[in-house]
Amino acid sequence: EIVMTQSPATLSVSPGERATLSCRASQSVSTNLAWYQQSPGQAPRLLIYGASTRATGIPARFSGSGSGTEFALTISSLQSEDVAVYYCQQYHHWVPVTFGQGTKVEIK
Amino acid sequence: EVQLVQSGGEGRKPGESLKISCQASGYSFTNYWIVWVRQMPGKGLEWMGIVYPGDSDTRYGPSFRGQVTISADTSVSTAYLQWDSLKASDTAMYYCARQGDGGRPFDSWGQGTLVTVSS
Repeated sequence: EIVMTQSPATLSVSPGERATLSCRASQSVSTNLAWYQQSPGQAPRLLIYGASTRATGIPARFSGSGSGTEFALTISSLQSEDVAVYYCQQYHHWVPVTFGQGTKVEIK
Repeated sequence: EVQLVQSGGEGRKPGESLKISCQASGYSFTNYWIVWVRQMPGKGLEWMGIVYPGDSDTRYGPSFRGQVTISADTSVSTAYLQWDSLKASDTAMYYCARQGDGGRPFDSWGQGTLVTVSS
């Protein structure tokens, strides 16, 4: 199975500043990579798929990049409502799909 | 609007059985996979398995094969996750989600069902 590794575990960012989250795959997943946001007490929500395509209704401050084994999620200007845990997921080999361990984003 | 509505939280004792549900609406239930995801307290997301209601094709993750049963009933547009004998370590939040055919992201999620197993 493909192992997904996220860094850092926790990211503290001031409001309005940029946040960059990283995700690495143990082997190439092409661009079959998604990002999910899980706000406190909520179910996960799809943010980005195909490594860089925003899902319906997702604000433009969220962007994704990368291909192969290295990926990034950038929040260009952090808002208070962006406090959440963010997970990357590969679906290149989808039995099983695998997730990273998550990055917690908090307000500094 | 696509919706996945899960059954309510459950409390059981070790060794008891349980079946939780995920009712879909707003799309053709038989044309999308339904996946089950476990989230243990304070932990990340784990893929348990998946079912294609159109033909009942079912796959399981290595850690869950033989531990749970995943099924679907097209007559009520509902997917199920069941245990024959619960353990304390099954205490977790369980989410269902929708996946398009083949390798696709999970574009819609249920609200989650909290399962608590304690003597």
